[in-house]
Amino acid sequence: QSALTQPASVSGSPGQSITISCTGTSSDIGGYNYVSWYQQHPGKAPKLMIYDVSKRPSGVSNRFSGSKSGYTASLTVSGLQADDEADYYCGSHASSSTRVFGTGTKVTVL
Amino acid sequence: QVQLQESGPGLVKPSETLSLTCDVSGYSISSGYYWGWIRQPPGKGLEWIASIYQSGNTDYNPSLKSRVTISVDTSRDQFSLNLSSVTAADTAIYYCARDFGRRSFDQWGQGTLVTVSS
Repeated sequence: QSALTQPASVSGSPGQSITISCTGTSSDIGGYNYVSWYQQHPGKAPKLMIYDVSKRPSGVSNRFSGSKSGYTASLTVSGLQADDEADYYCGSHASSSTRVFGTGTKVTVL
Repeated sequence: QVQLQESGPGLVKPSETLSLTCDVSGYSISSGYYWGWIRQPPGKGLEWIASIYQSGNTDYNPSLKSRVTISVDTSRDQFSLNLSSVTAADTAIYYCARDFGRRSFDQWGQGTLVTVSS
């Protein structure tokens, strides 16, 4: 079971949009519509931002959106704000009823 | 509002067993959902360890399965993690979380740092 692949870092200016990719295989992202995204600020626990590829939990800003195509999922953050600066992890249900996370992406707001 | 709180020793000796408990409040474990453990070595990414359903059905990370036991006590609204034969590589922040339908982790504890050192 290998970690999903994410870019190490992504940056953008306030107000801009950024997209973080998350690439897996047919055994995880490609096989299930159960991709999730987490935001983690330094010293804090991860927070669920997107589940089931594109659904937002109650209270999460609609500036966050998710999508999937084939073996790659994406998280888009529009109208980038200073508080969006954090680490982001994707996750997926995987074969044999396991779960897998991505390698993580550090988002910097310039 | 569901709340989760991890507890257990912050220091474990190499070759010994790491034992953690997660107390759940604001929700009865016996009402459903899976409940899981995730860890994060300092400065590194997240790693799923294991999840358990209120009935006792378990899912394990294959890379850790031989050393991990997860259990649930619905009468106390607690679930626990045992990780045997620990090494320095097991040093991490350990989080407990609600595993929503095996699809995502929607509620997290604050995490507890466990250091493996003699």
